[in-house]
Amino acid sequence: AQSVAQPEDQVNVAEGNPLTVKCTYSVSGNPYLFWYVQYPNRGLQFLLKYITGDNLVKGSYGFEAEFNKSQTSFHLKKPSALVSDSALYFCAVRDSDNAGNMLTFGGGTRLMVKP
Amino acid sequence: NAGVTQTPKFQVLKTGQSMTLQCAQDMNHEYMSWYRQDPGMGLRLIHYSVGAGITDQGEVPNGYNVSRSTTEDFPLRLLSAAPSQTSVYFCASSYRSTTYNEQFFGPGTRLTVL
Repeated sequence: AQSVAQPEDQVNVAEGNPLTVKCTYSVSGNPYLFWYVQYPNRGLQFLLKYITGDNLVKGSYGFEAEFNKSQTSFHLKKPSALVSDSALYFCAVRDSDNAGNMLTFGGGTRLMVKP
Repeated sequence: NAGVTQTPKFQVLKTGQSMTLQCAQDMNHEYMSWYRQDPGMGLRLIHYSVGAGITDQGEVPNGYNVSRSTTEDFPLRLLSAAPSQTSVYFCASSYRSTTYNEQFFGPGTRLTVL
């Protein structure tokens, strides 16, 4: 079975500071990992994904994520936060052993960037 | 391209009523899915389809029906609404599978069942 956890309901950071949103996963095969962002009253938007290859993945809006197999983590990072980054962030995983093409989403982490 | 569209944006139902949430995409995506979003629980997959005429159950299918008669449309039917179905519903589409292609989400339908 595949599962994903986002241990923080909310992350607060000052504008200009680096930010990290945490995500850990559990799969039986290889993980396919995704980050999505949701702005108020909007659907989710794709940020980045890890399928294979380089452990550091770069995505939209200056975000990046680091895949760590030993720690089963896929934390989202950005070197310098913007107020406009304030949103709800979701980590998602699919197990390579899962033939059903289904993604499992974490509970979401609300990022608040203060001026 | 309009992307993924959903109607209605808001809906209030009484317990026992039925309704259909509409979803359409104009990107010729094979894969479409329905999720519900509840506070603290992320998104949970209700039903999905890998192509016209093919549907399958997700994590929380009870109380919902789907059909996929065309590539573009993937309606979600609530047969007899219950308060537990109060949620925000998102439709999503992607090319072929979620492995190599990101999903595109609609704006959502906020449903309240009284």
